[in-house]
Amino acid sequence: TQLLEQSPQFLSIQEGENLTVYCNSSSVFSSLQWYRQEPGEGPVLLVTVVTGGEVKKLKRLTFQFGDARKDSSLHITAAQPGDTGLYLCAGASPGNTGKLIFGQGTTLQVKP
Amino acid sequence: NAGVTQTPKFQVLKTGQSMTLQCAQDMNHEYMSWYRQDPGMGLRLIHYSVGAGITDQGEVPNGYNVSRSTTEDFPLRLLSAAPSQTSVYFCASSRTTAANEQFFGPGTRLTVL
Repeated sequence: TQLLEQSPQFLSIQEGENLTVYCNSSSVFSSLQWYRQEPGEGPVLLVTVVTGGEVKKLKRLTFQFGDARKDSSLHITAAQPGDTGLYLCAGASPGNTGKLIFGQGTTLQVKP
Repeated sequence: NAGVTQTPKFQVLKTGQSMTLQCAQDMNHEYMSWYRQDPGMGLRLIHYSVGAGITDQGEVPNGYNVSRSTTEDFPLRLLSAAPSQTSVYFCASSRTTAANEQFFGPGTRLTVL
């Protein structure tokens, strides 16, 4: 069974601080996706990383895929209240196009 | 395009009752899936389908059935509801595989008494 361990589960910070969310597994994934979810809505894709060592930037968000494609991180610089939400990582298995496995999620609260 | 639609939005069942959660997409996506979301557990995959006529089990399939007779529709059936099935259910679709961007519906909040 593939597992994705996401940490921390909860994060409450002040506006302007930096933070990092981690997504770790003992399994290799063909790609890893990061989603953000608002209360009462479905998750929405932020980014997909595919190549080991890949780094993608989306404004103040930086995503990295580990060299071995077993882990990933999301770094937010100068967090803003609008960044508040649930962040989820999800991994797709190599050679299996069917299963997308999610981590437990990180609930981020950014206080003004 | 409506994207992914789910009905109903809310449902209350008694233990032992059966029901079907509806999911439809109008994007001509091949891949569709069902997840349940419980506090602190992220999204857990129930069943998925890589095309019409093809379905397979996910991480937590027990107590649920699915079928995929058309590309557009992917209903989820609860055969005999149990309190442990109280959850928020999300349907998702993507172009071809789990590795593509997933488009999620708005969710169905189910309570089993």
